[in-house]
Amino acid sequence: EAQVTQNPRYLITVTGKKLTVTCSQNMNHEYMSWYRQDPGLGLRQIYYSMNVEVTDKGDVPEGYKVSRKEKRNFPLILESPSPNQTSLYFCASSTWTGGNYGYTFGSGTRLTVV
Amino acid sequence: QKEVEQNSGPLSVPEGAIASLNCTYSDRGSQSFFWYRQYSGKSPELIMFIYSNGDKEDGRFTAQLNKASQYVSLLIRDSQPSDSATYLCAVITAGANNLFFGTGTRLTVIP
Repeated sequence: EAQVTQNPRYLITVTGKKLTVTCSQNMNHEYMSWYRQDPGLGLRQIYYSMNVEVTDKGDVPEGYKVSRKEKRNFPLILESPSPNQTSLYFCASSTWTGGNYGYTFGSGTRLTVV
Repeated sequence: QKEVEQNSGPLSVPEGAIASLNCTYSDRGSQSFFWYRQYSGKSPELIMFIYSNGDKEDGRFTAQLNKASQYVSLLIRDSQPSDSATYLCAVITAGANNLFFGTGTRLTVIP
């Protein structure tokens, strides 16, 4: 089944404790992206990657890191999480060959930083 | 100015009626337009995309695009309670590689 897999689904952590949210896709998509979703603010892009070893900042990159060492994986790293990073996070992937750019989203990770 | 704007709702329609969801965008050079449906606590799901002016129909859904007015809409015919969700409009702006999302319109279909 074609899918984007995120882990974990739920995470509660303390301020300053480094964490990684994993994202993996099995569709051989070139493009991958991370979004956070907050009430009233909608989906905001954190980072994106056009292909292996190519990453770029989105609208809200502060406090986050990413890497793209393999085509299928795009982990999101919070080196020192803070309470304002409490949010619902989505990973998405897409083929970037023109035409339909629709994203396939992962199931989401609900992160709480206390 | 926000890239993509939607009325947050909530929009309530009776079962069987037509639900009309609207979206405006700021970048006149935008090329690709998408509608996603998101159930509470779930991930967004692509339901329609449109690139050309006019209407595009898929089952009970019709997307309408008017580039001159920078306006895109989604019509849902014969609305069902299962259509109750938040609908997200998304746009790829000129020269960008990414989707910009509106904040979504919450639709409730009343049985």
